[in-house]
Amino acid sequence: QVQLVQSGDEVKKPGASVKVSCKASGYTFTNSGITWVRQAPGQGLEWMGWVSTHSGSTNYAQKVQGRVTMTTDTSTSTAYMELRSLRSDDTAVYYCARVLGGGDSALFDYWGQGTLVIVSS
Amino acid sequence: QSVLTQPPSASGTPGQRVTISCSGSSSNIGSNTVNWYQQLPRTAPKLLIYSNNQRPSGVPDRFSGSKSGTSASLAISGLQSEDEADYYCAAWDDSLNAWVFGGGTKLTVL
Repeated sequence: QVQLVQSGDEVKKPGASVKVSCKASGYTFTNSGITWVRQAPGQGLEWMGWVSTHSGSTNYAQKVQGRVTMTTDTSTSTAYMELRSLRSDDTAVYYCARVLGGGDSALFDYWGQGTLVIVSS
Repeated sequence: QSVLTQPPSASGTPGQRVTISCSGSSSNIGSNTVNWYQQLPRTAPKLLIYSNNQRPSGVPDRFSGSKSGTSASLAISGLQSEDEADYYCAAWDDSLNAWVFGGGTKLTVL
């Protein structure tokens, strides 16, 4: 069965970086992209970006553009999301999800369990 | 402020039918398909409806979706206590070149 297993919770100081991993299993990793979505405490879902597991191409949300890098390691079927220059408003649960299909009709059909990132001095 | 607008809350009693609206614009819902996600308390979101009105395998037919113009709706019939969750609509936005979500609707089963 399809599974996405994320790395553990993190506590970081303002200005630091965090790198969250998302290990996929149960399907051919390079057949589907990976997207990252975050959720601040008590808030809604916010799309952060997408990475192609086939080509490595990316598309980032404007809000995090310049601070985020999404990559994949096809040898281990793992996707990574690195966020730099952390601020207190980056405190959130970060989710990875598999992207099924492409373009404007894509959907996020399987999700990781979430990784809590707390940014605090 | 979310690009897609949802009511913050909705409620119903067991067995009732409830609908949740999602309003957008010509650059998102008006030109692209809508997906709906269900987030049970303290869990990751789950795909509930895709391509406006399609249900993934395993989703009960009590859940249905529709779209008209720049708005979409999620309907839940035969409401059950386990339906108590947050519901989010999502669509691709051609102007932002990004996926956008609604702010979420918290459904309470009274």
